[in-house]
Amino acid sequence: DSGVTQTPKHLITATGQRVTLRCSPRSGDLSVYWYQQSLDQGLQFLIQYYNGEERAKGNILERFSAQQFPDLHSELNLSSLELGDSALYFCASRGDWEREQFFGPGTRLTVL
Amino acid sequence: SQKIEQNSEALNIQEGKTATLTCNYTNYSPAYLQWYRQDPGRGPVFLLLIRENEKEKRKERLKVTFDTTLKQSLFHITASQPADSATYLCAQYSGAGSYQLTFGKGTKLSVIP
Repeated sequence: DSGVTQTPKHLITATGQRVTLRCSPRSGDLSVYWYQQSLDQGLQFLIQYYNGEERAKGNILERFSAQQFPDLHSELNLSSLELGDSALYFCASRGDWEREQFFGPGTRLTVL
Repeated sequence: SQKIEQNSEALNIQEGKTATLTCNYTNYSPAYLQWYRQDPGRGPVFLLLIRENEKEKRKERLKVTFDTTLKQSLFHITASQPADSATYLCAQYSGAGSYQLTFGKGTKLSVIP
């Protein structure tokens, strides 16, 4: 168990809809990273938050947004969903003095 | 931009043998390379990190090497077991200060009893 939790585990929705994925980092970790993993693209970095502020952006679509709250949990919002958004979404956290990241169990999103 | 490549999508190996996985990177030398294990439908799990000034790092049956001349890291599992079957990902940092990871696409290792 990495100490990172994600909910829900599975999400099935229709095209055009909006969903919210939730992540709680390990206790004490200020950094949260979001990644998308699809079969053809591998694991892709989306966005990072550090102590409530956006720190870095990767290949995140404009339809996607995220935030980190004062209690350090983070939410990834996906809107106007398309079939191609079906993927596993992982969040990870990292301690300030660590180099490795600790990944949650992921949310499997299926867009029908 | 920096790319990280794992040449083999899949590797089959007999139980007890040594599995060797390759990770190549382009452009600049990363300060660190990391290796993760991922089981189907689960999040990656950190295994080992090697710094650019380290030639080799070991942890139990795992060994990682880093060759900055060849721009390559090798990941070895000795005395492989069926339980070692998984996808192995190498990763490096991209983006100064943020420690975001760029991953290779992974090598799926199958250890055959």
